[in-house]
Amino acid sequence: GNSVTQMEGPVTLSEEAFLTINCTYTATGYPSLFWYVQYPGEGLQLLLKATKADDKGSNKGFEATYRKETTSFHLEKGSVQVSDSAVYFCALRSNAGGTSYGKLTFGQGTILTVHP
Amino acid sequence: GAGVSQSPSNKVTEKGKDVELRCDPISGHTALYWYRQSLGQGLEFLIYFQGNSAPDKSGLPSDRFSAERTGGSVSTLTIQRTQQEDSAVYLCASSLGTSGGTGETQYFGPGTRLLVL
Repeated sequence: GNSVTQMEGPVTLSEEAFLTINCTYTATGYPSLFWYVQYPGEGLQLLLKATKADDKGSNKGFEATYRKETTSFHLEKGSVQVSDSAVYFCALRSNAGGTSYGKLTFGQGTILTVHP
Repeated sequence: GAGVSQSPSNKVTEKGKDVELRCDPISGHTALYWYRQSLGQGLEFLIYFQGNSAPDKSGLPSDRFSAERTGGSVSTLTIQRTQQEDSAVYLCASSLGTSGGTGETQYFGPGTRLLVL
């Protein structure tokens, strides 16, 4: 079945540090890949997405590139801010049909804390 | 416009009672999803409705869980004879539901936090 593996957390950084959160996946076919973010006390929001190999999703200074050869979709940001403190979820949506179609499969989530 | 709304925001119930959780999707969205977020299991898919098609119930953990979607809009998730392990945040999401749109965004509601005592 489909699965998503995220790097172990939590991650604690100082403001303006470089961020990488690793994400690898297992899926049949060519899934679409997503990063969702959950800020404290808020619901899940889409951060960025990529729908085919070599696509780069970007938003709010965050980037992730769909790497089919390494089945990865690592999240990066060059200079984090205190306001980026949140839980980040990597997810995939299969296009292989059957019972996988439609639903998102999520990683375990990575807690990011940024200190001033 | 209005996002996905869910009610109640919090629900405390006693073991063995039935509960109903409601989801109002974004107007015009034909696809609706229920997920569960718990400490031990992370974010898990429960059920998926797409238009008038039969729902994908493959994520429902037991026959105590059921969901319906009336008129292609509002959805209710029902948990019968609740157990303590049902305690979690239940999230609803909706999307446009365009054919073949695997990349389309799912918009999440704020969730219902369920506590079973």
